[in-house]
Amino acid sequence: GQQVMQIPQYQHVQEGEDFTTYCNSSTTLSNIQWYKQRPGGHPVFLIQLVKSGEVKKQKRLTFQFGEAKKNSSLHITATQTTDVGTYFCAGTGYGGSQGNLIFGKGTKLSVKP
Amino acid sequence: DSGVTQTPKHLITATGQRVTLRCSPRSGDLSVYWYQQSLDQGLQFLIQYYNGEERAKGNILERFSAQQFPDLHSELNLSSLELGDSALYFCASSLRTSGRGEQFFGPGTRLTVL
Repeated sequence: GQQVMQIPQYQHVQEGEDFTTYCNSSTTLSNIQWYKQRPGGHPVFLIQLVKSGEVKKQKRLTFQFGEAKKNSSLHITATQTTDVGTYFCAGTGYGGSQGNLIFGKGTKLSVKP
Repeated sequence: DSGVTQTPKHLITATGQRVTLRCSPRSGDLSVYWYQQSLDQGLQFLIQYYNGEERAKGNILERFSAQQFPDLHSELNLSSLELGDSALYFCASSLRTSGRGEQFFGPGTRLTVL
């Protein structure tokens, strides 16, 4: 079945350093979404990418969708303590059951002030 | 606040028991999704309902079942509980049935099976 792998599992950075998490799917994705879950909280939608090669920016966050629509990345520039949390990618494949978002296991980011 | 509500917030029960988790979607959302989050497994999709009908099934055990009622709230029933069922259970809702589009997550129900 479809699998979404995410690396690294953990990332510890000093405040001000950059951070990147990578997401890879075993199959071509219809779209990919990114969510952030703060400690003790629930996942919150960040963005959705649909087009091959798409790049979107939200302030210090840059999201990319690969040309083959099988991989994606989230890059945070100059991390802040407010960036702490777990970042999940989630993809939807083609065909089969629509609405079936497959989540990666997430990258847990800690930021040292 | 996502607009999705889940009750109860915490649930402690014993092995072999049966529990029901409840979810009310955001106003206007027709799709409800259930996810299980364990420490090492990330978010596992369990099942999706759209306007009262089952639309997609993930890794849901036969001991688990769900339904969506005419008022669009949903319930997840977990029976013959095992220690391994201890997890955080999230409900999410969205307007559409397809995998495109933001899902709004509720605060979750933390289930502890002793």
